[in-house]
Amino acid sequence: DIQMTQSPSTLSASVGDRVTITCRASQSIGIWLAWYQKKPGQAPKLLIHKASGLQSGVPSRFSGSGSGTEFTLTINSLQPDDFATYYCQHYNYFSPGFGQGTKVDIK
Amino acid sequence: EMQLVQSGGGSVQVGGSLRLSCAASGFIFSDHYMDWVRQAPGKGLEWLGRIRIKILSFTTEYGASVKGRFTISRDDSQKSVYLQMNSLQIEDTAVYFCARVVGHYSDGSGNWHGPFDVWGQGTMVTVSS
Repeated sequence: DIQMTQSPSTLSASVGDRVTITCRASQSIGIWLAWYQKKPGQAPKLLIHKASGLQSGVPSRFSGSGSGTEFTLTINSLQPDDFATYYCQHYNYFSPGFGQGTKVDIK
Repeated sequence: EMQLVQSGGGSVQVGGSLRLSCAASGFIFSDHYMDWVRQAPGKGLEWLGRIRIKILSFTTEYGASVKGRFTISRDDSQKSVYLQMNSLQIEDTAVYFCARVVGHYSDGSGNWHGPFDVWGQGTMVTVSS
């Protein structure tokens, strides 16, 4: 199975900050990577697909990049609604897998 | 509006069984693979399994932690997908989500792959001794 490793595990930031989260795959997954936002008591929300494609309705301050084994999620000008946990997910094999998550909390 | 509404869940003793349901609306259910994901308390997201569509004979895939104990099925006439959970263990305690797979690419064998763009609201399953 492909292992997804996110860093950091926790990130403290302030409103207005630029935040970057990294996700590494144990083998190449091309561009078949998604990012999700998860808040307590809510279902995950798809933010980014195909590594850099912005899901419809998602604010443009969210962006993704990368291919192969290294990917990043960037949030420009962090907003109060963005404090949450973020997960990467590969989906190019029969068993899609998630990273362990990165919690973005208030500094 | 595309929507997945989950039902079922609750509390069960170790070794027991439970069945979760997930009803779809607002999209052509029969066109989409459907997956199940869970989140144990304080833990991350764990993919559990998938059921494909009729043209692929409703074939299924499962994660290692649930293979042989959990079964995914679907009823396209009811626009619903189900998760039958048997031999439940303490570590199966989690919030369970159903999710729609949006097809982004085909691997040449007829299988499609993609992220999860519509999710159920989640349902709690508690397994106790």
